[in-house]
Amino acid sequence: QSVLKQPPSVSGAPGQRVTISCTGSGSNIGAGYDVHWYQQLPGTAPKLIIYVNSNRPSGVPDRFSGSKSYTAASLAITGLQADDEADYYCQSYDESLRGSVFGTGTKVTVL
Amino acid sequence: EVQLVQSGAEVKKPGESLKISCQGSGYSFANYWISWVRQMPGKGLEWMGFIHPSDSDTTYSPSFQGQVTISADKSINTAYLQWSSLEASDTAMYYCVRLKAMGGSGAHWGQGTLVTVSS
Repeated sequence: QSVLKQPPSVSGAPGQRVTISCTGSGSNIGAGYDVHWYQQLPGTAPKLIIYVNSNRPSGVPDRFSGSKSYTAASLAITGLQADDEADYYCQSYDESLRGSVFGTGTKVTVL
Repeated sequence: EVQLVQSGAEVKKPGESLKISCQGSGYSFANYWISWVRQMPGKGLEWMGFIHPSDSDTTYSPSFQGQVTISADKSINTAYLQWSSLEASDTAMYYCVRLKAMGGSGAHWGQGTLVTVSS
């Protein structure tokens, strides 16, 4: 059971902006723990695209941005491109579980 | 260059044991947590547990406690995930991930080890 909830899917036309929510609780995001985001292309290992809520690793386009507020976080993708089609996961730490937790995952489709 | 290289795909029968590995290179292996992540076919990512190779301090997800064993040998920069008795439901891709801290992000992932359990 994933304790971080994400919408199963979001879609948008090329060039549009989409957002993915990640809803947690007072024992994870709401307790102040950082949120990280991963992109997983089909058949590949996940790739870190946002760390510590809003930071981009080197090489990740600035079309990807992250934010966090209270018990939730969100990932925004602007200027949607065909190669953004992938599954996206949020991740944080949960003090009740004393370990990492992943979101349920969101499939992004470019129309 | 930081690399995590996992052992190859495995096909096993129910009831068999298995140990898969994850070897780190390009960094001080003992100084970073290694996490194991399961991904069942067509499903999402699940955190299984992590280990700090310096002292083998290990934490398991409640969902995996007692089902698997995580270990590490810092002398050969390798972490392990093992099962004593596999079940069909263990069929999945397994990834190792390097973390700077328990709640940290994973910038470096292994390529994954596919485990198939079938009679």
